[in-house]
Amino acid sequence: AQSVTQLDSHVSVSEGTPVLLRCNYSSSYSPSLFWYVQHPNKGLQLLLKYTSAATLVKGINGFEAEFKKSETSFHLTKPSAHMSDAAEYFCVVRGEWGGATNKLIFGTGTLLAVQP
Amino acid sequence: DTAVSQTPKYLVTQMGNDKSIKCEQNLGHDTMYWYKQDSKKFLKIMFSYNNKELIINETVPNRFSPKSPDKAHLNLHINSLELGDSAVYFCASSLGTGSYSGELFFGEGSRLTVL
Repeated sequence: AQSVTQLDSHVSVSEGTPVLLRCNYSSSYSPSLFWYVQHPNKGLQLLLKYTSAATLVKGINGFEAEFKKSETSFHLTKPSAHMSDAAEYFCVVRGEWGGATNKLIFGTGTLLAVQP
Repeated sequence: DTAVSQTPKYLVTQMGNDKSIKCEQNLGHDTMYWYKQDSKKFLKIMFSYNNKELIINETVPNRFSPKSPDKAHLNLHINSLELGDSAVYFCASSLGTGSYSGELFFGEGSRLTVL
């Protein structure tokens, strides 16, 4: 079965410094992976997605993620954090093909704090 | 214009009561979902409808009954509310099912508190 593990529940960075949010996946076949962001009291928004094309995926707001099969990782990065990046970030894998092709499996989330 | 809108945004009620949450999307999508987010922010799918037909029904107590009168609306009715039902419930929609992009559009959530 597919699953994702977000290695840090909280990450704190200073404004202007790089961001790294870690995610490892488990899948019996080539996975489709996503990062979603949730700002306080808001719904989730798709940041970026990997669906077996280029391994380096660029998303919105300057975020990108690299799919590394050898490490079963899909870490989210941004070169320079902005105060508005403070939010909860979810790594997500799509469920098995078949009856539940549209089932997304969410990680436990990483809360990103950005200090001025 | 809000793409996925849920009402109410906040709901406080007593154990044993029955309550409903409504969801509407104006994106023209044909698939809609209900997700539950617990106090630890863990998100889990509850139900999914495609063109008014139920296609995902996770292991959810039958006190929870979704209803989709048309493909733009998906409501959630909860009978005999329990303390453990306290959570934020998110409605979402997407275009298609099998080959869809994985992009779900979420509402802002309905925070249910059961006392």
